[in-house]
Amino acid sequence: ETGVTQSPTHLIKTRGQQVTLRCSSQSGHNTVSWYQQALGQGPQFIFQYYREEENGRGNFPPRFSGLQFPNYSSELNVNALELDDSALYLCASSSFGPTDTQYFGPGTRLTVL
Amino acid sequence: TQLLEQSPQFLSIQEGENLTVYCNSSSVFSSLQWYRQEPGEGPVLLVTVVTGGEVKKLKRLTFQFGDARKDSSLHITAAQPGDTGLYLCAGPYGGTSYGKLTFGQGTILTVHP
Repeated sequence: ETGVTQSPTHLIKTRGQQVTLRCSSQSGHNTVSWYQQALGQGPQFIFQYYREEENGRGNFPPRFSGLQFPNYSSELNVNALELDDSALYLCASSSFGPTDTQYFGPGTRLTVL
Repeated sequence: TQLLEQSPQFLSIQEGENLTVYCNSSSVFSSLQWYRQEPGEGPVLLVTVVTGGEVKKLKRLTFQFGDARKDSSLHITAAQPGDTGLYLCAGPYGGTSYGKLTFGQGTILTVHP
């Protein structure tokens, strides 16, 4: 059974640029959630994708967008990068259900200069 | 928005000592989870508590859910250097679950040999 994988591991961008982060969900999981974790903080919920549709969103502006593909993998896109977007971006996969366990990937470390 | 406050934020102890981490909220949660995160990795689920007053044990770790389901604690007995990491409590985001979580800010635990 393959776990959750994310790419790239690290990324450096400059303000105003756009970035795409990728996540492959664990085998058998149909739901992907994305989180932003600033240094020294807990993760913050960005949004969730289920059956290729956004299924809930946290307090993040529209320049944070995503996609889910038929194989349940997912992308997080961030436009017009700001310095405060520097963080660890985590994705978590699960089956869709009220108590299903979230399995997190190792994250992508984004640095915005 | 339901907030989770963790304390202490930092904990530095010697091997063999006991410790307790607290997770508090003014809101009622249907369940709370505890995660452990190591550098370069995503959070890993330790336990889920769902019933007020519930106590769960995982080897040297004891988790408790408050009677009113507004708080939880994690107690580690005879801490070991391998317990070092970031401990996070989390609850369902917006009152619903289905994989959307709100996290506390975390407790960074360092256990010195």
